[in-house]
Amino acid sequence: EVQLVESGGGLVQPGGSLRLSCAASGFTFSSYDMHWVRQATGKGLEWVSAIGTAGDTYYPGSVKGRFTISRENAKNSLYLEMNSLRAGDTAVYYCARGDSSSYWYFDLWGRGTLVTVSS
Amino acid sequence: EIVMTQSPATLSVSPGERATLSCRASQSVSSNLAWYQQKPGQAPRLLIYGASTRATGIPARFSGSGSGTEFTLTISSLQSEDFAVYSCQQYNNWPPAFGQGTKVEIK
Repeated sequence: EVQLVESGGGLVQPGGSLRLSCAASGFTFSSYDMHWVRQATGKGLEWVSAIGTAGDTYYPGSVKGRFTISRENAKNSLYLEMNSLRAGDTAVYYCARGDSSSYWYFDLWGRGTLVTVSS
Repeated sequence: EIVMTQSPATLSVSPGERATLSCRASQSVSSNLAWYQQKPGQAPRLLIYGASTRATGIPARFSGSGSGTEFTLTISSLQSEDFAVYSCQQYNNWPPAFGQGTKVEIK
């Protein structure tokens, strides 16, 4: 079955760190750009980071310098290392697959993992 | 950065009726516009890309139109499983940006 499954979410204090994982199955993981997208309660979706097939990485200003995306193709896994977390980072974090032609829309999503930043 | 604005925020529709959702971009995104469906506790689902191309397995009652800054998602005859939140996303410019979503609820 073609799917993405996120894990690693939880409660963390402001200033803390957390590492999210995404396990991919059913497709050739190494051939796709991969992304993280988040959604705070009652808010719209927000793109968080991307990693290309060559390992090139991209971030919006809101997380640049604090978040690091990585991938391990041998394990069909995507990761998001989050440091210096803030209350505003509280959200459901989704792993998403980029289109096969490297356009940045997302044709496969996981169910998400909840990250709560609170003291 | 491009801002995506969706309207209305909530749309109340009876089953079998037509639903029309709007999405506006703050500047032209050509036809690089996608639509997604979200249901609570489920993975978001790609419906439309390229403004009007249905993704694999998406029923023909879903259609997308528009280009430039104005886009529309139409659900021709709402089924019970279609009541959900719909989001648009532009991927013409970096960073990719989403609208805030339109909730389609049962009237």
